[in-house]
Amino acid sequence: DSGVTQTPKHLITATGQRVTLRCSPRSGDLSVYWYQQSLDQGLQFLIQYYNGEERAKGNILERFSAQQFPDLHSELNLSSLELGDSALYFCASSAAGGPPKNIQYFGAGTRLSVL
Amino acid sequence: SQKIEQNSEALNIQEGKTATLTCNYTNYSPAYLQWYRQDPGRGPVFLLLIRENEKEKRKERLKVTFDTTLKQSLFHITASQPADSATYLCALTDSWGKFQFGAGTQVVVTP
Repeated sequence: DSGVTQTPKHLITATGQRVTLRCSPRSGDLSVYWYQQSLDQGLQFLIQYYNGEERAKGNILERFSAQQFPDLHSELNLSSLELGDSALYFCASSAAGGPPKNIQYFGAGTRLSVL
Repeated sequence: SQKIEQNSEALNIQEGKTATLTCNYTNYSPAYLQWYRQDPGRGPVFLLLIRENEKEKRKERLKVTFDTTLKQSLFHITASQPADSATYLCALTDSWGKFQFGAGTQVVVTP
Protein backbone atom coordinates (compact mmCIF):
# COMPACT_ATOMS: atom_id res chain seq x y z
CA ASP A 1 0.00 0.00 0.00
CA SER A 2 1.55 3.27 -1.19
CA GLY A 3 -0.51 5.45 1.13
CA VAL A 4 -2.02 7.35 -1.81
CA THR A 5 -5.79 6.96 -2.08
CA GLN A 6 -7.72 7.46 -5.29
CA THR A 7 -11.47 7.42 -5.65
CA PRO A 8 -13.43 6.10 -7.37
CA LYS A 9 -11.70 2.96 -8.61
CA HIS A 10 -13.95 2.70 -11.64
CA LEU A 11 -16.07 5.24 -13.45
CA ILE A 12 -18.37 4.64 -16.38
CA THR A 13 -19.95 7.63 -18.07
CA ALA A 14 -21.17 8.91 -21.40
CA THR A 15 -19.65 11.26 -23.93
CA GLY A 16 -20.16 14.92 -23.16
CA GLN A 17 -20.35 14.36 -19.43
CA ARG A 18 -18.14 15.73 -16.68
CA VAL A 19 -16.42 13.71 -13.92
CA THR A 20 -14.24 14.43 -10.92
CA LEU A 21 -11.43 12.17 -9.77
CA ARG A 22 -10.13 12.50 -6.25
CA CYS A 23 -6.72 11.89 -4.75
CA SER A 24 -5.48 11.92 -1.16
CA PRO A 25 -1.68 12.02 -0.96
CA ARG A 26 0.52 10.20 1.52
CA SER A 27 0.61 11.81 4.92
CA GLY A 28 3.16 14.63 4.86
CA ASP A 29 3.57 14.77 1.08
CA LEU A 30 3.11 18.25 -0.35
CA SER A 31 3.20 17.49 -4.05
CA VAL A 32 0.54 15.77 -6.14
CA TYR A 33 0.87 14.64 -9.77
CA TRP A 34 -1.75 13.46 -12.23
CA TYR A 35 -1.09 11.07 -15.11
CA GLN A 36 -3.15 9.53 -17.88
CA GLN A 37 -2.40 6.06 -19.21
CA SER A 38 -4.36 4.79 -22.17
CA LEU A 39 -4.44 1.11 -23.08
CA ASP A 40 -0.93 -0.15 -23.86
CA GLN A 41 0.39 3.40 -23.75
CA GLY A 42 2.96 5.08 -21.58
CA LEU A 43 2.26 7.41 -18.70
CA GLN A 44 1.37 10.89 -19.86
CA PHE A 45 2.11 13.58 -17.31
CA LEU A 46 -0.82 15.97 -16.94
CA ILE A 47 -0.13 18.36 -14.09
CA GLN A 48 1.66 18.79 -10.76
CA TYR A 49 0.67 20.75 -7.67
CA TYR A 50 2.90 21.64 -4.78
CA ASN A 51 1.38 22.86 -1.53
CA GLY A 52 -1.71 24.16 -3.27
CA GLU A 53 0.01 25.86 -6.21
CA GLU A 54 0.39 24.61 -9.75
CA ARG A 55 4.03 23.60 -10.19
CA ALA A 56 4.36 22.05 -13.63
CA LYS A 57 2.09 21.35 -16.55
CA GLY A 58 2.25 18.60 -19.11
CA ASN A 59 0.01 17.85 -22.07
CA ILE A 60 -3.21 18.53 -20.23
CA LEU A 61 -6.21 19.30 -22.41
CA GLU A 62 -8.16 22.50 -21.88
CA ARG A 63 -11.20 20.34 -21.04
CA PHE A 64 -9.29 19.03 -18.04
CA SER A 65 -8.54 20.99 -14.89
CA ALA A 66 -7.17 20.21 -11.47
CA GLN A 67 -6.67 21.78 -8.11
CA GLN A 68 -5.06 21.01 -4.78
CA PHE A 69 -6.95 22.00 -1.66
CA PRO A 70 -5.61 23.34 1.66
CA ASP A 71 -5.78 19.84 3.16
CA LEU A 72 -3.54 18.78 0.21
CA HIS A 73 -6.01 16.46 -1.43
CA SER A 74 -6.42 17.02 -5.14
CA GLU A 75 -9.18 16.70 -7.71
CA LEU A 76 -8.93 16.24 -11.45
CA ASN A 77 -11.96 17.44 -13.39
CA LEU A 78 -12.59 16.08 -16.85
CA SER A 79 -15.35 17.71 -18.89
CA SER A 80 -16.98 17.31 -22.32
CA LEU A 81 -15.74 13.75 -22.22
CA GLU A 82 -14.84 11.97 -25.45
CA LEU A 83 -14.35 8.28 -26.18
CA GLY A 84 -10.60 8.88 -26.36
CA ASP A 85 -10.53 10.01 -22.73
CA SER A 86 -11.10 6.42 -21.64
CA ALA A 87 -7.95 5.54 -19.71
CA LEU A 88 -6.41 4.83 -16.34
CA TYR A 89 -5.80 8.01 -14.40
CA PHE A 90 -3.11 7.86 -11.78
CA CYS A 91 -2.36 10.22 -8.97
CA ALA A 92 1.03 10.24 -7.30
CA SER A 93 2.47 12.18 -4.40
CA SER A 94 5.95 13.13 -3.29
CA ALA A 95 7.45 14.87 -0.30
CA ALA A 96 8.84 17.76 -2.32
CA GLY A 97 8.21 19.56 -5.58
CA GLY A 98 11.55 18.72 -7.10
CA PRO A 99 14.54 16.42 -6.82
CA PRO A 100 15.92 14.70 -4.91
CA LYS A 101 12.85 14.23 -2.75
CA ASN A 102 10.37 13.95 -5.63
CA ILE A 103 10.24 10.16 -5.51
CA GLN A 104 6.67 9.48 -6.46
CA TYR A 105 4.23 7.14 -4.75
CA PHE A 106 1.32 6.13 -6.91
CA GLY A 107 -2.27 5.38 -6.12
CA ALA A 108 -4.14 2.42 -7.53
CA GLY A 109 -5.66 4.55 -10.25
CA THR A 110 -9.16 5.38 -11.47
CA ARG A 111 -10.29 3.50 -14.56
CA LEU A 112 -12.48 5.78 -16.65
CA SER A 113 -14.67 4.32 -19.37
CA VAL A 114 -16.46 6.76 -21.66
CA LEU A 115 -19.25 5.10 -23.64
CA SER B 1 12.65 19.20 -27.30
CA GLN B 2 13.34 17.01 -24.30
CA LYS B 3 13.10 13.32 -24.97
CA ILE B 4 13.52 10.11 -23.02
CA GLU B 5 13.96 6.91 -25.01
CA GLN B 6 13.61 3.36 -23.79
CA ASN B 7 13.64 0.25 -25.94
CA SER B 8 10.05 -0.35 -27.00
CA GLU B 9 10.65 -4.00 -27.78
CA ALA B 10 10.01 -6.43 -24.96
CA LEU B 11 13.06 -8.06 -23.46
CA ASN B 12 12.63 -11.81 -23.20
CA ILE B 13 15.12 -13.43 -20.89
CA GLN B 14 15.68 -16.78 -19.29
CA GLU B 15 15.45 -17.15 -15.54
CA GLY B 16 18.81 -16.71 -13.86
CA LYS B 17 20.24 -14.44 -16.56
CA THR B 18 20.91 -10.71 -16.29
CA ALA B 19 18.46 -8.32 -17.93
CA THR B 20 19.89 -4.98 -19.08
CA LEU B 21 17.63 -2.07 -19.97
CA THR B 22 18.64 1.24 -21.52
CA CYS B 23 17.36 4.76 -20.94
CA ASN B 24 18.67 7.46 -23.27
CA TYR B 25 17.79 11.12 -22.98
CA THR B 26 18.29 14.29 -24.99
CA ASN B 27 18.06 17.97 -24.12
CA TYR B 28 18.03 17.30 -20.41
CA SER B 29 20.51 18.33 -17.80
CA PRO B 30 19.23 16.00 -15.14
CA ALA B 31 20.77 15.88 -11.73
CA TYR B 32 18.72 12.84 -10.78
CA LEU B 33 17.33 9.88 -12.62
CA GLN B 34 14.80 7.43 -11.24
CA TRP B 35 13.71 3.91 -12.16
CA TYR B 36 10.24 2.49 -11.52
CA ARG B 37 8.51 -0.83 -12.03
CA GLN B 38 4.95 -1.06 -13.33
CA ASP B 39 2.76 -4.15 -13.34
CA PRO B 40 -0.30 -4.28 -15.65
CA GLY B 41 -3.16 -2.13 -14.42
CA ARG B 42 -1.22 -0.85 -11.43
CA GLY B 43 0.67 2.33 -10.63
CA PRO B 44 4.46 2.45 -10.95
CA VAL B 45 6.54 1.60 -7.91
CA PHE B 46 9.80 3.41 -7.19
CA LEU B 47 12.94 1.26 -7.32
CA LEU B 48 16.08 3.37 -7.40
CA LEU B 49 17.30 6.95 -7.66
CA ILE B 50 20.77 7.83 -8.91
CA ARG B 51 22.43 11.23 -8.80
CA GLU B 52 24.61 12.57 -11.58
CA ASN B 53 27.73 12.37 -9.44
CA GLU B 54 27.04 8.68 -8.71
CA LYS B 55 28.25 6.34 -11.40
CA GLU B 56 26.49 3.29 -9.99
CA LYS B 57 23.81 2.39 -7.47
CA ARG B 58 22.77 -1.03 -6.23
CA LYS B 59 19.80 -2.44 -4.39
CA GLU B 60 19.65 -6.19 -3.87
CA ARG B 61 19.64 -7.69 -7.40
CA LEU B 62 19.22 -4.33 -9.11
CA LYS B 63 22.01 -2.12 -10.43
CA VAL B 64 21.76 1.26 -12.11
CA THR B 65 24.47 3.24 -13.87
CA PHE B 66 24.30 6.87 -14.97
CA ASP B 67 26.60 8.28 -17.66
CA THR B 68 25.94 11.99 -18.18
CA THR B 69 28.48 12.13 -21.01
CA LEU B 70 26.63 9.47 -23.01
CA LYS B 71 23.30 10.76 -21.67
CA GLN B 72 22.39 7.23 -20.76
CA SER B 73 21.36 5.09 -17.81
CA LEU B 74 21.55 1.31 -17.72
CA PHE B 75 19.35 -0.78 -15.44
CA HIS B 76 20.39 -4.34 -14.66
CA ILE B 77 18.42 -7.13 -13.02
CA THR B 78 20.79 -9.90 -12.05
CA ALA B 79 19.73 -13.51 -11.44
CA SER B 80 16.35 -12.66 -12.94
CA GLN B 81 13.21 -14.44 -11.76
CA PRO B 82 9.74 -14.81 -13.32
CA ALA B 83 8.48 -12.42 -10.62
CA ASP B 84 10.67 -9.72 -12.18
CA SER B 85 8.42 -9.72 -15.26
CA ALA B 86 7.00 -6.20 -15.54
CA THR B 87 7.51 -2.91 -17.37
CA TYR B 88 10.42 -0.80 -16.17
CA LEU B 89 10.33 2.97 -16.53
CA CYS B 90 13.04 5.56 -16.22
CA ALA B 91 12.14 9.09 -15.23
CA LEU B 92 13.79 12.51 -15.24
CA THR B 93 12.98 15.88 -13.79
CA ASP B 94 13.90 18.94 -15.85
CA SER B 95 15.12 22.25 -14.50
CA TRP B 96 11.52 23.52 -14.39
CA GLY B 97 10.48 20.65 -12.18
CA LYS B 98 8.51 18.88 -14.88
CA PHE B 99 8.63 15.15 -14.27
CA GLN B 100 8.72 12.90 -17.33
CA PHE B 101 8.63 9.13 -17.64
CA GLY B 102 10.03 7.14 -20.50
CA ALA B 103 7.61 4.83 -22.30
CA GLY B 104 9.09 1.85 -20.49
CA THR B 105 10.52 -1.51 -21.50
CA GLN B 106 8.65 -4.72 -20.82
CA VAL B 107 10.70 -7.55 -19.34
CA VAL B 108 9.49 -11.14 -19.61
CA VAL B 109 11.42 -13.72 -17.59
CA THR B 110 10.72 -17.32 -18.53
CA PRO B 111 11.51 -20.31 -16.30
